Amino acid sequence: GAGVSQSPRYKVAKRGQDVALRCDPISGHVSLFWYQQALGQGPEFLTYFQNEAQLDKSGLPSDRFFAERPEGSVSTLKIQRTQQEDSAVYLCASSQTPGQNGRKHFGDGTRLSIL
Amino acid sequence: QKEVEQDPGPLSVPEGAIVSLNCTYSNSAFQYFMWYRQYSRKGPELLMYTYSSGNKEDGRFTAQVDKSSKYISLFIRDSQPSDSATYLCAMRVTQGGSEKLVFGKGTKLTVNP
Repeated sequence: GAGVSQSPRYKVAKRGQDVALRCDPISGHVSLFWYQQALGQGPEFLTYFQNEAQLDKSGLPSDRFFAERPEGSVSTLKIQRTQQEDSAVYLCASSQTPGQNGRKHFGDGTRLSIL
Repeated sequence: QKEVEQDPGPLSVPEGAIVSLNCTYSNSAFQYFMWYRQYSRKGPELLMYTYSSGNKEDGRFTAQVDKSSKYISLFIRDSQPSDSATYLCAMRVTQGGSEKLVFGKGTKLTVNP
């Protein structure tokens, strides 16, 4: 595809359920990021991958959040035992190279609602 | 105090007006300064990207950075209804092999025809 693809676009889950959010980055992009955007707020960093290596997970809010990118392309963000405060838009971004010239391309996000 | 402060607005202007958006920041480690535009239910898209203090122009958009004051601005000339969106300032920071963007809260702009 031409851009970063995220699925599902919308996800509704009951409190306590586990959810998995998928990101298909632009083919060949080395760097992949996950951000969380609460209503009326700017995106907040969750985690960063360079190929399959998770170099930074300092933004993950709790140990209920887990991200992986096993083959250095598709990434999955998993949230266990969801809580209402997890309701947000989860954005994925990718860039061709790490570093200062790595222009980041964002997907349109997964809108997660926890009831 | 957040690392990046941005007035959320909302801001409403008539078509053709000059729009001024700005952010302040506190972290001297920020190296690159960006402005993103985000339409409703869409992901952010990069508008402008600057490194040094000074001005950078691209069509109707001008980005301004003042590192000494830790202040950045985006000016939109001859604003159009299609410019109606949320504008996010963002700053890149690197640390220990990682990199991330730190965003402002976003300013919601409406340009009225």
